[in-house]
This record gives sequence, structure tokens and C-alpha cells, in this order.
Amino acid sequence: ETGVTQSPTHLIKTRGQQVTLRCSSQSGHNTVSWYQQALGQGPQFIFQYYREEENGRGNFPPRFSGLQFPNYSSELNVNALELDDSALYLCASSFRGSWETQYFGPGTRLLVL
Amino acid sequence: AQRVTQPEKLLSVFKGAPVELKCNYSYSGSPELFWYVQYSRQRLQLLLRHISRESIKGFTADLNKGETSFHLKKPFAQEEDSAMYYCAPTVAGGTSYGKLTFGQGTILTVHP
Repeated sequence: ETGVTQSPTHLIKTRGQQVTLRCSSQSGHNTVSWYQQALGQGPQFIFQYYREEENGRGNFPPRFSGLQFPNYSSELNVNALELDDSALYLCASSFRGSWETQYFGPGTRLLVL
Repeated sequence: AQRVTQPEKLLSVFKGAPVELKCNYSYSGSPELFWYVQYSRQRLQLLLRHISRESIKGFTADLNKGETSFHLKKPFAQEEDSAMYYCAPTVAGGTSYGKLTFGQGTILTVHP
């Protein structure tokens, strides 16, 4: 069984740029959720994808967008990066219907300068 | 608004002592409750969930709907329990389906 993987592990961008983060879900899972974890804080829900459609969104602006592909992998895109976007971005996969036990990836550390 | 409060940011105990990590929640509907743990240099992982009524690594969690609390307990702490612990409710329906709301976390340190 392959776990959740994320790429890249680290990323440095400048303000105003755009970034794409990638996530491969665990085998057999059909749902992907994205979280932002600022330093010293718990993860904050960004959005969730199920069957290639956004299925629930947290309190994040539209410049945060995503995709889910037929193989259930996913991308998180952030446009017009701001300094406050610097954080650890976590992807979690799950099988919808199993009380949403979510399996987390190692995260992508994004630094916006 | 859905809210989770873990009042202790840091908790230190000695090996063999009982430990209780507190979690209070404010949540609409009937949430399902989880505890997630992150050990040093490891990814966030599920510790236990209320619906399973399970005991993992000696930890149990009691749901008190009247007090809206879901405290995590272990009678005898071990050094390997040192980690960051997050309480996280979710719901099984509606637009918030599967959305985990994490508390700020409690760093547990178990001293030898």
C-alpha cells in the first residue's frame, strides 16, 4: 500500500507569483483534502475534492484553487502569492464513507518572500 | 461557527504519570471526533476516533456531549508518547463533509 506523497518538499516564491503543489493519494482512496498549517498553528481546511469536483471549502479566497484528476491525485494552485501564504501545505486522502479517516502526506513547505 | 479549543499549548509529565489532554468543541450537528498525533519528524496520523470506541497505545478519549468535550487520557505516560496532539472534529454530511477542524494542538513532553 502506497502512502500519500506530496511534491515538492520545499518551495521558495516571491510575492505575486503563482505556485502549484501536487499530491498523490493513497491507493484505494477517492477523496483529497488540502490544509494550510501556519507556524505554531493547527492545520486549517482549504478545500476537499471528491470525484474531481470541489466538495466543501474553508475560509480561503478564490486565488486558492485546485484540481483532482481521474487517478484521484490532486493539485493545489495559489495565485498572486502573499507573504502570509508562507506555511506548510498538507494533503490528506481518504475513502469517502469510512468516517473520513484521513491519511496525511508529509507536506510542502512554502516560503513567500 | 465551528470551533475547537485545546487550552494547553504545552503539557509536561513524568514517565508513569497519568496524562489528560483537553479538548472542547463548539460544533453544529453531530460531529465525529478524532485525535491526531504528530511524532517528531513524522507526518500527521490518526491516533483514535470516537466512533470506534478504541484504545490506541493506551490512550482513550471520552466524549461528553453535555460539556462538549473530548479529552484524551492515558493512565501511565511513556516517553514515546512525547508528540504534538490535535483534537479534530468533523461531520459526515452537508457542505462540511469530511472537513477536519483542528485545534491549535498540545505539545506533550514525557520526562524520564
